[in-house]
Amino acid sequence: DTAVSQTPKYLVTQMGNDKSIKCEQNLGHDTMYWYKQDSKKFLKIMFSYNNKELIINETVPNRFSPKSPDKAHLNLHINSLELGDSAVYFCASSQSPNQPQHFGDGTRLSIL
Amino acid sequence: GQNIDQPTEMTATEGAIVQINCTYQTSGFNGLFWYQQHAGEAPTFLSYNVLDGLEEKGRFSSFLSRSKGYSYLLLKELQMKDSASYLCAVRDRGNTPLVFGKGTRLSVIA
Repeated sequence: DTAVSQTPKYLVTQMGNDKSIKCEQNLGHDTMYWYKQDSKKFLKIMFSYNNKELIINETVPNRFSPKSPDKAHLNLHINSLELGDSAVYFCASSQSPNQPQHFGDGTRLSIL
Repeated sequence: GQNIDQPTEMTATEGAIVQINCTYQTSGFNGLFWYQQHAGEAPTFLSYNVLDGLEEKGRFSSFLSRSKGYSYLLLKELQMKDSASYLCAVRDRGNTPLVFGKGTRLSVIA
């Protein structure tokens, strides 16, 4: 009965590879998000997706691309991984942008 | 731009009361959230303020003053399990995404 689930939980890969992180929510929420939390624990929004409207944080490199096959899924694809991409990536969802967000358990990405 | 400030670390004693402050500077205001995050875990929602005043929820309360750009989270009867990071997050207008502060790491000691 997990509300927001993301896979994999751990991802260790080499620089230059392409990888995807999947996120699914079974709460019937309309809005989904991707966050990056760096080593200093700073949680920073990357993308929000609401009713097919994508809001992108302009500081996010275009190597990162969200893909939403349906309202319950928002996957994150990353091309040409770099050392600085090492972080914990959290998926979240909410009923609307003004409602509390429910977070997944995070994906710990380590770049070798 | 947006700027959210909260203390980096705080320490308090089990059974005591602690207040974690958050100040923000945004172009508009459309709500303030507090989240709790234990080490290695996901953030979990604690409280939401959009109007001035105090919102109480059990041992936790959150206060907002929009004119001062200020909020605080009050934790009463502290327990060891309250040791965590507390994140203040603000939405400045419309449907723009939340902006999180850097979090306050609270350590509860015996």
